[in-house]
Amino acid sequence: DAGVIQSPRHEVTEMGQEVTLRCKPISGHDYLFWYRQTMMRGLELLIYFNNNVPIDDSGMPEDRFSAKMPNASFSTLKIQPSEPRDSAVYFCASSFLGYNEQFFGPGTRLTVL
Amino acid sequence: SQKIEQNSEALNIQEGKTATLTCNYTNYSPAYLQWYRQDPGRGPVFLLLIRENEKEKRKERLKVTFDTTLKQSLFHITASQPADSATYLCALVAGFGNEKLTFGTGTRLTIIP
Repeated sequence: DAGVIQSPRHEVTEMGQEVTLRCKPISGHDYLFWYRQTMMRGLELLIYFNNNVPIDDSGMPEDRFSAKMPNASFSTLKIQPSEPRDSAVYFCASSFLGYNEQFFGPGTRLTVL
Repeated sequence: SQKIEQNSEALNIQEGKTATLTCNYTNYSPAYLQWYRQDPGRGPVFLLLIRENEKEKRKERLKVTFDTTLKQSLFHITASQPADSATYLCALVAGFGNEKLTFGTGTRLTIIP
């Protein structure tokens, strides 16, 4: 298996633009997690899914952020409109059973100018 | 509020010595505790998981302890090597039905040759 795949790896956009981050989890995993990592706040959970259903989105900063998982092999995290304070590395991770080890993707480094 | 603290931001250890990292938590009753390693520019990589009813877990040169009375986990790397230099993150999981993984801020470990 190729592991968790994220795209794009780097994204530079201007304030106000829509940003879509993509994730393909490891086949057979039933949990998918979206995280954001910054120097100031560390690694924070934004939202997680179980069998494609959102379970906890309490970490989503505000309504500008939304996440979907239309099927077991694909998820998106969308920011609309983007702001400079959204600049961070966004990671997607998947696991089999939620408390088990999580496999992280390489991350998307987002810069909002 | 729930808080996870890792003893220091940075730790320098001489090669060959044992590195010990600390993870303390408050206002939390985790069912599982995990340790991850993160190298610059990469996603975290799972190392070990320990359950609340386990005192100790070992894997090669790694050892983790979990003291629910002290609300503390210790992570040891014996016979440390320069290749062990990385940031180490502890993370807590409440348990089944609440699979949210909450990360500590991390300790940047440097093994000096």
